[in-house]
Amino acid sequence: NAGVTQTPKFQVLKTGQSMTLQCAQDMNHEYMSWYRQDPGMGLRLIHYSVGAGITDQGEVPNGYNVSRSTTEDFPLRLLSAAPSQTSVYFCASSRANEQFFGPGTRLTVL
Amino acid sequence: DAKTTQPPSMDCAEGRAANLPCNHSTISGNEYVYWYRQIHSQGPQYIIHGLKNNETNEMASLIITEDRKSSTLILPHATLRDTAVYYCIVGRTGANSKLTFGKGITLSVRP
Repeated sequence: NAGVTQTPKFQVLKTGQSMTLQCAQDMNHEYMSWYRQDPGMGLRLIHYSVGAGITDQGEVPNGYNVSRSTTEDFPLRLLSAAPSQTSVYFCASSRANEQFFGPGTRLTVL
Repeated sequence: DAKTTQPPSMDCAEGRAANLPCNHSTISGNEYVYWYRQIHSQGPQYIIHGLKNNETNEMASLIITEDRKSSTLILPHATLRDTAVYYCIVGRTGANSKLTFGKGITLSVRP
């Protein structure tokens, strides 16, 4: 199993640009989530999904959209990038009481 | 969800046991204690979780006090590769539990 994969690993955007961070898992987990981690901070939940077609907001959803058309994929869209969205983004999927995290996408917004 | 309190950092010698404390005085009866760690800038990694009994797996042991207001994660023989940020989290059980990651405790294992 590849586990949780994320692309790209690094991305630089200009203010106002949009992009999609990709996340995929091959473990057939229903629950998936997106977090952001700012320097020296813990992870904050952006959006989550309990299954295909079902998504909900986390702690810091503003400026981000998600959709879940398949069990495997859970993309995160930045609608109009802002410097405040410079962060490391982690995707996770869950089985029972264990979350599996991807390697992260390091995003810089200029 | 209940909040947790961890010291910001600690260190231990390689080969010795690392005992990482966590306070969660407002934990409710149906909340579990979870531990994750994050090595350098990688994604967090699950370590262990428990409700009220002590738990042990191949990575660590989790000791929860009888009143459940605090716990200790024990790495029995720390190695340099255990240097990481360790997060103590309290939350409900199940894949859908939304866990809140605080700042964690930075463990430095010295040679």
